[in-house]
Amino acid sequence: SAVISQKPSRDICQRGTSLTIQCQVDSQVTMMFWYRQQPGQSLTLIATANQGSEATYESGFVIDKFPISRPNLTFSTLTVSNMSPEDSSIYLCSVDKQDRKAFFGQGTRLTVV
Amino acid sequence: SQQGEEDPQALSIQEGENATMNCSYKTSINNLQWYRQNSGRGLVHLILIRSNEREKHSGRLRVTLDTSKKSSSLLITASRAADTASYFCATVGGVGGKLIFGQGTELSVKP
Repeated sequence: SAVISQKPSRDICQRGTSLTIQCQVDSQVTMMFWYRQQPGQSLTLIATANQGSEATYESGFVIDKFPISRPNLTFSTLTVSNMSPEDSSIYLCSVDKQDRKAFFGQGTRLTVV
Repeated sequence: SQQGEEDPQALSIQEGENATMNCSYKTSINNLQWYRQNSGRGLVHLILIRSNEREKHSGRLRVTLDTSKKSSSLLITASRAADTASYFCATVGGVGGKLIFGQGTELSVKP
């Protein structure tokens, strides 16, 4: 299993500003994943963060909007840049274990006003 | 893109009743997993069933998988108010396949 500490748990931000979300894992992992969950929707993968290389972004997500850092094997950050109300969502980080069984952080509920 | 379609989208039952949720998917899979999410928090893994398995049990949970119909069901027996949550299926396909989530079923168990 894996325990992930994600923070902040929630934030209310002004449009045009940026928010950085942090995830700390209790063990070393090769890949960390960042998801967005828009209100009432399912999870959509934003990007996969590998230590020592650039993150791999899914279609529809770009590095300028969602820059990711992965400085070591237990930590990653996701920044939501130049926010607009459409960015209001829950953001989740996760790691995989055997069979792609995923463990999630507690999520960051972001509201942009 | 979402692979799994779940139904119903919402389900409301009384405590003690059974709850059944269904998930359909489109492509071949290595395994299918079910997760629970309480009030927009992080997801919690419930159970995993591999493509060569047909049924699996874990406590009050029973999962079936029909690869010919590309569908799965999650049965929660003797439901409790604490089971109130959103339930998501997720599929893993191919070598290095990503975890792709369904739309989810919102379950409400009334005491």
